[in-house]
Amino acid sequence: EVQLVQSGAEVKKPGESLKISCKGSGYSFTSYWIGWVRQMPGKGLEWMGIIYPGDSDTRYSPSFQGQVTISADKSISTAYLQWSSLKASDTAMYYCASGPVAGGGGYFDYWGQGTLVTVSS
Amino acid sequence: VIWMTQSPSLLSASTGDRVTISCRMSQGISSYLAWYQQKPGKAPELLIYAASTLQSGVPSRFSGSGSGTDFTLTISCLQSEDFATYYCQQYYSFPWTFGQGTKVEIK
Repeated sequence: EVQLVQSGAEVKKPGESLKISCKGSGYSFTSYWIGWVRQMPGKGLEWMGIIYPGDSDTRYSPSFQGQVTISADKSISTAYLQWSSLKASDTAMYYCASGPVAGGGGYFDYWGQGTLVTVSS
Repeated sequence: VIWMTQSPSLLSASTGDRVTISCRMSQGISSYLAWYQQKPGKAPELLIYAASTLQSGVPSRFSGSGSGTDFTLTISCLQSEDFATYYCQQYYSFPWTFGQGTKVEIK
């Protein structure tokens, strides 16, 4: 069974750093994209970026380039999303999701349960 | 960046209705489009990919059509469990993007 299990909810102060994780199991971690999607309270889905763990090829949305870093450790089948200096506007639910590369892939067929990040002074 | 216009943003319907949701692209994307359903407090779930291919396990009352710039998600006979928010997503070119969402509510 394919599973993406995300790290738990976080409460941080503005200016703090944070790294959240997404562990994949039940499939070949290095053969599928892992993406990150933001959902601010009461709002829609925003595509942040993706990584291909096989070669660490990473793509970002211009809206998030320079604001976050996406990485992966294929030895432990885990992807990460990190911030060096959080802002209150980073308060949101963050989902990881995976999808196929082959055959015109780019959609996400498996999703993590989400990690709620709250940034407040 | 490919801009997406999803409409309507809110759709009021009754059980048994046929509903359609539209997604229009700022440029052609062939058939590189997916549709997702999201229920409150839950992660999104994939319904359709490649514009019209039903994901395994998704009921056949869901269907997708279109190519190029105009796409449609149709629910042929709305069930109570279908009241949710629906999103389209293009994966033709980076950055991949989501539509703004359509909330399907009970009329």
